[in-house]
Amino acid sequence: GAGVSQSPSNKVTEKGKDVELRCDPISGHTALYWYRQSLGQGLEFLIYFQGNSAPDKSGLPSDRFSAERTGGSVSTLTIQRTQQEDSAVYLCASSLLALNTEAFFGQGTRLTVV
Amino acid sequence: TQLLEQSPQFLSIQEGENLTVYCNSSSVFSSLQWYRQEPGEGPVLLVTVVTGGEVKKLKRLTFQFGDARKDSSLHITAAQPGDTGLYLCAGEGGNQFYFGTGTSLTVIP
Repeated sequence: GAGVSQSPSNKVTEKGKDVELRCDPISGHTALYWYRQSLGQGLEFLIYFQGNSAPDKSGLPSDRFSAERTGGSVSTLTIQRTQQEDSAVYLCASSLLALNTEAFFGQGTRLTVV
Repeated sequence: TQLLEQSPQFLSIQEGENLTVYCNSSSVFSSLQWYRQEPGEGPVLLVTVVTGGEVKKLKRLTFQFGDARKDSSLHITAAQPGDTGLYLCAGEGGNQFYFGTGTSLTVIP
C-alpha cells in the first residue's frame, strides 16, 4: 500500500481478554517497529523486526506481550490477559532498511482496556 | 530510561510569534530526527540531522544539531495555526529510535 496501515484503529476490550493488533508496512520495507504512546508521553519502544526476525525485543513490558512478523511483511502484536495499564496508542513504523532511513508511521491503534 | 529530554513540554503562543523547542541528552547520537504528530495520526518525519553543528532549514523551521551531537533545537519563525501539533525528537541508537517526551505546541490565531 501507499503507507503503513494499522488495524483496528480503535479497540475497546475487557480486562483479562487477549487482543491482536495488526500492522501492514510499506511494501519492500525490511525494518518494522512497534511503539507505545500513552497520554502525554513520548513513544516507548516495544520491538524491532528486521525481515522476519526480531533482534531486539527489549522493550516488551512483560511476557503478556508478543509479536511476530511473517513473510517479511505483516506484523501482529498480541497482548494477552490485558490490563488497564495496557491502554495506549500502539504505533507501528516501517523503514526501507534498518535505521539511517526514514521511518514511516501508521496512524496507530488506540487500545482501551475497561 | 528517558534518554532525550524535551523542553518546554507545553507551549501556547500567538500567531506570528517565534519559538524554540529544545531536545537534550547526555548520550551521543549518530543522527537525530524531528517529527510532528497531529491528533489521531502517527508522527511524520520533518528532518534528520547527522553532522555535529549542522543546521537545516525547512521553510519557517530551522533545525540545529549540537556540535557534540547530544542536543538539538527546533526554531519556528512567525508561527501559524497550522504548526499546531506534538513535536518529537528521536535519536538513533542500537536497534531503535529513542524518542523524547515531546513538546505540545498550540498556535492561537
